[in-house]
Amino acid sequence: DIVMTQSPDSLAVSLGERATISCRSSQSVLYRSNNKSYLAWYQQKPGQSPKLLIYWASTREFGVPDRFSGSGSGTDFTLTISTLQADDVAVYYCQQFYSTPPTFGQGTKVEIK
Amino acid sequence: EVQLLESGGDLVQPGGSLRLSCVGSGFTFGAYAMTWVRQAPGKGLEWVSGITGGAGSTYFADSVKGRFTISRDDSRNTLYLEMNNLRVEDTALYYCAKKSDRAMAGTWFASWGQGTPVTVSS
Repeated sequence: DIVMTQSPDSLAVSLGERATISCRSSQSVLYRSNNKSYLAWYQQKPGQSPKLLIYWASTREFGVPDRFSGSGSGTDFTLTISTLQADDVAVYYCQQFYSTPPTFGQGTKVEIK
Repeated sequence: EVQLLESGGDLVQPGGSLRLSCVGSGFTFGAYAMTWVRQAPGKGLEWVSGITGGAGSTYFADSVKGRFTISRDDSRNTLYLEMNNLRVEDTALYYCAKKSDRAMAGTWFASWGQGTPVTVSS
């Protein structure tokens, strides 16, 4: 199974500042035939179910604010919230969909400083 | 709008059984792979099982293989998870999640239900 590791486990950021979350996979999730990394990001707000933010490592889901961006390829990925809003307080998960079983990172909790 | 509504969660003793259901609406149910993902109290997300759209090939996490069965009734837009020989460590909120296409591999979790709670305790 592919192991997903996120860092940090939690971070506190001031409103309007940038938040950056890293995700690393134990093996490459880049499919060379289409040059796409099979990596998604989800947001889970307190008491809610997860919500898809980004797929193919950098493609924002319809309706997701453009302050959320994803980058990276192969084994190293980043989720960036460019200007943190109060509504962004949540746990964020990365997930690989390159192979079955799909696996998630342990989550990163984002709070307001 | 895609909606997924889970039901069937309950308190059950170790060794017991439960059947979870998930009714989907707002999309062509049979065209998509469907999955179950669970979240133990205060913990992260763990994929449990999935079934492809169309042919209905099934997949299971090692932790539930041989104990859980997944099935779907596309005429009723319903996904099921039959859970047998339940263990304390199966205690979690069970989410139904729609994949982005009919296959299991190469697709992400596009939509999620609100979850149904399963507690395994004596």
